[in-house]
Amino acid sequence: DAMVIQNPRYQVTQFGKPVTLSCSQTLNHNVMYWYQQKSSQAPKLLFHYYDKDFNNEADTPDNFQSRRPNTSFCFLDIRSPGLGDAAMYLCATSRAGPGTQYFGPGTRLLVL
Amino acid sequence: GEDVEQSLFLSVREGDSSVINCTYTDSSSTYLYWYKQEPGAGLQLLTYIFSNMDMKQDQRLTVLLNKKDKHLSLRIADTQTGDSAIYFCAESKDSNYQLIWGAGTKLIIKP
Repeated sequence: DAMVIQNPRYQVTQFGKPVTLSCSQTLNHNVMYWYQQKSSQAPKLLFHYYDKDFNNEADTPDNFQSRRPNTSFCFLDIRSPGLGDAAMYLCATSRAGPGTQYFGPGTRLLVL
Repeated sequence: GEDVEQSLFLSVREGDSSVINCTYTDSSSTYLYWYKQEPGAGLQLLTYIFSNMDMKQDQRLTVLLNKKDKHLSLRIADTQTGDSAIYFCAESKDSNYQLIWGAGTKLIIKP
């Protein structure tokens, strides 16, 4: 089945220790998104890629970076995680042109 | 600015219908969505409706859109325990990729 896959499902890191979260998709969608979601709040968009074009949201901290080496994969790098970065991180994809977004299962990040 | 509002909680008895409501402010919204999120899980697209439609039905789910009042609702017929989740309403426009989200409605099922 075509899908959005996130690894790992749970990630524990130490305060200040860089961490990378991974997302892959078999939908062949042009657009990939990273969201942060805290405590059953609405997801907050961090950034998105349209093909290789990177689009950062204005209020996304510099601590968060992303890479998209090819159509299928997208990575979220947190350079120096703080306690406030503990959250669920959701990856999503959509076809070219705004429309329906399909979400992965999420990676829950815990910062000790 | 753009805003999407939902009630935070809805409690219904098993077997009854659930109606989750959402209001939005941006009249240029093109797509309106309902996503379901079970505890500890990602967001599952339940259904969506284009702004030129009034109603969409898919098995137990009925979406009603009142463009004049900017009101969207999701009706779940014969609510089951597996429907217990948080339901997010979201909107998007043709002009950008961002989804504007409601805060989510937690659906609680009473036996």
